[in-house]
Amino acid sequence: DAGVIQSPRHEVTEMGQEVTLRCKPISGHNSLFWYRQTMMRGLELLIYFNNNVPIDDSGMPEDRFSAKMPNASFSTLKIQPSEPRDSAVYFCASSPSTSGSSYEQYFGPGTRLTVT
Amino acid sequence: GDSVTQMEGPVTLSEEACLTINCTYTATGYPSLFWYVQYPGEGLQLLLKATKADDKGSNKGFEATYRKETTSFHLEKGSVQVSDSAVYFCALSELTQGGSEKLVFGKGTKLTVNP
Repeated sequence: DAGVIQSPRHEVTEMGQEVTLRCKPISGHNSLFWYRQTMMRGLELLIYFNNNVPIDDSGMPEDRFSAKMPNASFSTLKIQPSEPRDSAVYFCASSPSTSGSSYEQYFGPGTRLTVT
Repeated sequence: GDSVTQMEGPVTLSEEACLTINCTYTATGYPSLFWYVQYPGEGLQLLLKATKADDKGSNKGFEATYRKETTSFHLEKGSVQVSDSAVYFCALSELTQGGSEKLVFGKGTKLTVNP
């Protein structure tokens, strides 16, 4: 099992550029989560999907952020245009269950984004 | 909504010392409780969990007991090792609309163990 795969692992871009982060969840998992981690704000849930459908995007900070899940094996998080305050580590996680009270989330290694 | 409060770090201990990281929660229902660990440069991984009151989760020498009366889930280890140096996150599961669930995380506690 390859685990959750994220790409790129590191991204450095200039303010105003479009950034696309990619995630491949564990095969068979039907929930997918995008998080952002910073020193100041800790770990924040941005959006999550169940069976490829966005369920809650209330954590998406602004309209500059968008996420898609076109199929069960792929998701993207896009920032357009990017700003220096978007610099953070972005994690993708997947889970095998859409309901129940004892499921586990499996995290990817993260994408470290730096916007200059 | 539901929330998790855990002790602020950083925590610095010597090898073989005892560890306790406090975690309390606020929830309207009966959530499952989790401890996740994040090693430097990696994503979070599940350390242990408990699904109902009085359950004890344990793994790698770490333990935590689900205390409904005090709404707590404190993480403990009797003898820490240098390899335990990491950031520890307490979390609970929150039921959302449509029957799906999400995790609510605390802010994390950084532990450094010196030889």
